[in-house]
Amino acid sequence: QVQLKESGPGLVQPSQTLSLTCTVSGFSLTSYNVHWVRQPPGKGLEWMGRMRYNGDTSYNSALKSRLSISRDTSKNQVFLKMNSLQTDDTGTYYCTSATRGWFAYWGQGTLVTVSS
Amino acid sequence: IQMTQSPSLLSASVGDRVTLSCKAGQNINNYLAWYQQKLGEAPKLLIYNANSLQTGIPSRFSGSGSGTDFTLTISSLQPEDVATYFCQQYNSWTTFGSGTKLEIK
Repeated sequence: QVQLKESGPGLVQPSQTLSLTCTVSGFSLTSYNVHWVRQPPGKGLEWMGRMRYNGDTSYNSALKSRLSISRDTSKNQVFLKMNSLQTDDTGTYYCTSATRGWFAYWGQGTLVTVSS
Repeated sequence: IQMTQSPSLLSASVGDRVTLSCKAGQNINNYLAWYQQKLGEAPKLLIYNANSLQTGIPSRFSGSGSGTDFTLTISSLQPEDVATYFCQQYNSWTTFGSGTKLEIK
């Protein structure tokens, strides 16, 4: 069955870089798009960016200057890197898969706290 | 595209018919999904393409609308439906609404 799982550090210092990994199973990264979505505590959902099945990437314009998404298809992994983190980047980060726009499968999420 | 959900908080009784609203800032055709998020969990897809029920979702959930106005209806509210509900447009990139928190009266 389709599964996604996020991993990464729970705590990041201000101004540092966040690195997260999404490990997928049950589908191929060359067939489906993988997106990153984040959620500040008690707030709504924000789309961050995506890795398309063909290797192309797209980013939320508000985050584009700080964000990079890449992948390793041999390991079934998608990576997120975001630099210059601030306290308002604190939240739960999800990876999710989409075929035609809607997000049918989600990882459990990983909480990232930005604090010194 | 701005997505506006109302109300932000809804309190209803078990068995009630509940209606949640989502309005798009411009025409999004029927490119709208609804998600249910329970406390501490990831969002779960309920509805896609405005009115298509995701596999495994109870039939008491239904979606309607097109263009700019959309509705999620729960025909008979159950205790396990306590959650926050988000809408998402995918007509132009993707954006989410701010959510409706549903509680039992």
